[in-house]
Amino acid sequence: DGGITQSPKYLFRKEGQNVTLSCEQNLNHDAMYWYRQDPGQGLRLIYYSQIVNDFQKGDIAEGYSVSREKKESFPLTVTSAQKNPTAFYLCASSTGGAADTQYFGPGTRLTVL
Amino acid sequence: GQQVMQIPQYQHVQEGEDFTTYCNSSTTLSNIQWYKQRPGGHPVFLIQLVKSGEVKKQKRLTFQFGEAKKNSSLHITATQTTDVGTYFCAGYTGFQKLVFGTGTRLLVSP
Repeated sequence: DGGITQSPKYLFRKEGQNVTLSCEQNLNHDAMYWYRQDPGQGLRLIYYSQIVNDFQKGDIAEGYSVSREKKESFPLTVTSAQKNPTAFYLCASSTGGAADTQYFGPGTRLTVL
Repeated sequence: GQQVMQIPQYQHVQEGEDFTTYCNSSTTLSNIQWYKQRPGGHPVFLIQLVKSGEVKKQKRLTFQFGEAKKNSSLHITATQTTDVGTYFCAGYTGFQKLVFGTGTRLLVSP
């Protein structure tokens, strides 16, 4: 089956710890994205990558880091510098064109204790 | 920065009533997409509109793109409980980023 997987589904961490969220796709898509969604709110773009070994900051990149070493993978690290990390994190991918549909993974719900 | 607002934020209807959500951008969009997110789920693509004034239908759903390509609407005729969820519009401005609207949460009572 083609699609996007995110793991884990639920994640708990203590304040001051870094944590890495996984995102893998087998759709052969060039572009990948990370969004943050807070309760009752829309999606805000954290980082995006249009090609391997390249990525750009989105609207709320502070306190986050990413890598894109493989086409299939785009992990997101939530660092201790992120002041309010508790949220629902969604990964998406697209073929990369300007008019693309984005395909979303199931999301990871991160809770900082 | 570019903003995409949706109204209303929330609507509660009785099954069988119609529903409309409106999407307004501060800048002209090259195209607009609509997504649906079920409670606890992830956004799923519904449709894309590209042309000024375009209207598309999917069964009970009607989507419109404004003449100035700065606004859009989604209308659901005779809502069903399966329509429950949050509806997002999202637009491309030409900078290779999709900007999502604030979303409209729809609740349908049987």
